[in-house]
Amino acid sequence: GQNIDQPTEMTATEGAIVQINCTYQTSGFNGLFWYQQHAGEAPTFLSYNVLDGLEEKGRFSSFLSRSKGYSYLLLKELQMKDSASYLCAVRAWDTGRRALTFGSGTRLQVQP
Amino acid sequence: GAVVSQHPSWVICKSGTSVKIECRSLDFQATTMFWYRQFPKQSLMLMATSNEGSKATYEQGVEKDKFLINHASLTLSTLTVTSAHPEDSSFYICSARVSPGTGTNEKLFFGSGTQLSVL
Repeated sequence: GQNIDQPTEMTATEGAIVQINCTYQTSGFNGLFWYQQHAGEAPTFLSYNVLDGLEEKGRFSSFLSRSKGYSYLLLKELQMKDSASYLCAVRAWDTGRRALTFGSGTRLQVQP
Repeated sequence: GAVVSQHPSWVICKSGTSVKIECRSLDFQATTMFWYRQFPKQSLMLMATSNEGSKATYEQGVEKDKFLINHASLTLSTLTVTSAHPEDSSFYICSARVSPGTGTNEKLFFGSGTQLSVL
C-alpha cells in the first residue's frame, strides 16, 4: 500500500513564500503530482516530478527526493487566490492500476 | 490542457432512487477513466478504474453493484449510484488519463465534479 503525509493546514501572508511538504511511503514509485483544489471544485494539475530535483513553473516549484520519500511544493509571491487545498498524489506500479493515491491535502490560507 | 466534462454539477435525490453521472473527454480519447469520491475536508478516494470496453476494477470496500460504471466508448464513462442513501452523499469526481508519447509524464485531468445530496 501507500502512505502519504502532508500538513493539514498552513497560513501565510500575501506576497510571502510558503513551502508545503509531503512525505510518502510506497513501492514501485512512478511519479509524484501536486494538485490545487478550491472548495467545491475539482483539482487542477500543478506539477509532476519523477526524477530527483526541482521543477519550476512560474510562481510554483516542486521538489522531489526519491531516496527520502519527500517532496515539497513551493509557492512564491503568494496571492489571495492561492488560498486552497494542495494535494500531494503518488503514482505507483505496485498494483498496476496506474491511478493516483492522494494525500489528505493541505489547506492553505493566505492572509492580507 | 485536455478537457473533461462532467454532468451534472449537483444533484439532489430522494433515498432509494438512482443517479447517473456522466464523464466525457471532449478533445481526446480516454481509454482509462477513474472515479473518485471526496467527503468534506477529506482527500480524494479512488473508487474504481474504468477501462473502455471492459469491466471496471473496483477498489476494496466499494460495492460494484451499488456503483455501476459503464465505459462504452473512448469518450464517455458513466457512474450510476443505485438505490442511493444519505450516506452516499458526497462529491464525485471523474478523471481521465492523458498519455502523451511514452506515457512517462501522463497526467490526470479532472471533471468538474458532482455534488450528490441524498435526502
